[in-house]
Amino acid sequence: AQTVTQSQPEMSVQEAETVTLSCTYDTSESDYYLFWYKQPPSRQMILVIRQEAYKQQNATENRFSVNFQKAAKSFSLKISDSQLGDAAMYFCAYGYGNKLVFGAGTILRVKS
Amino acid sequence: NAGVMQNPRHLVRRRGQEARLRCSPMKGHSHVYWYRQLPEEGLKFMVYLQKENIIDESGMPKERFSAEFPKEGPSILRIQQVVRGDSAAYFCASSPIRSSYNEQFFGPGTRLTVL
Repeated sequence: AQTVTQSQPEMSVQEAETVTLSCTYDTSESDYYLFWYKQPPSRQMILVIRQEAYKQQNATENRFSVNFQKAAKSFSLKISDSQLGDAAMYFCAYGYGNKLVFGAGTILRVKS
Repeated sequence: NAGVMQNPRHLVRRRGQEARLRCSPMKGHSHVYWYRQLPEEGLKFMVYLQKENIIDESGMPKERFSAEFPKEGPSILRIQQVVRGDSAAYFCASSPIRSSYNEQFFGPGTRLTVL
């Protein structure tokens, strides 16, 4: 069974600084997708970034980028120039077939 | 284009009552997924439906829970004889095609509280 592990229950970052959130996963599949979702206090799930496993190039979306290490089954999220609005719960998710498997989440706090 | 709609946003039920949660997918989406988020946890897959068909219900509890996605109208997640352990946020997501290779678009969730 596929599993997703986020080892950091909580992280803090100073405004304008950079923070990296960790995620590892376990799978025997070779073709899958990985996602980072943001859940602010409103509880709405917002897609931050997506990575196709068959692509070696790391995905980037503005201030958000990933470090995808397929052999190590690692998928970390880097947030540059952190803003107060980035404060939220962040979930790493693995997608294969018709379902997403989520990690337990990392609470990100941004200090002004 | 309206996003995924869920209602109600908040639902309070007493033990033993029934809870009905509704989800209207995005326009043009024919695939619906239900997830449950217990307090302090990530989302857990429950069921995947297409119009009039349950495709994968491997995450659904064996008793009291059922889901449908009729030809007309929203998808319904039904919980009979609710217990306190059913208290959670229930999220619906939709996609235009089958695989989660494409993004699943999430609704705002329904927060169920069982007294």
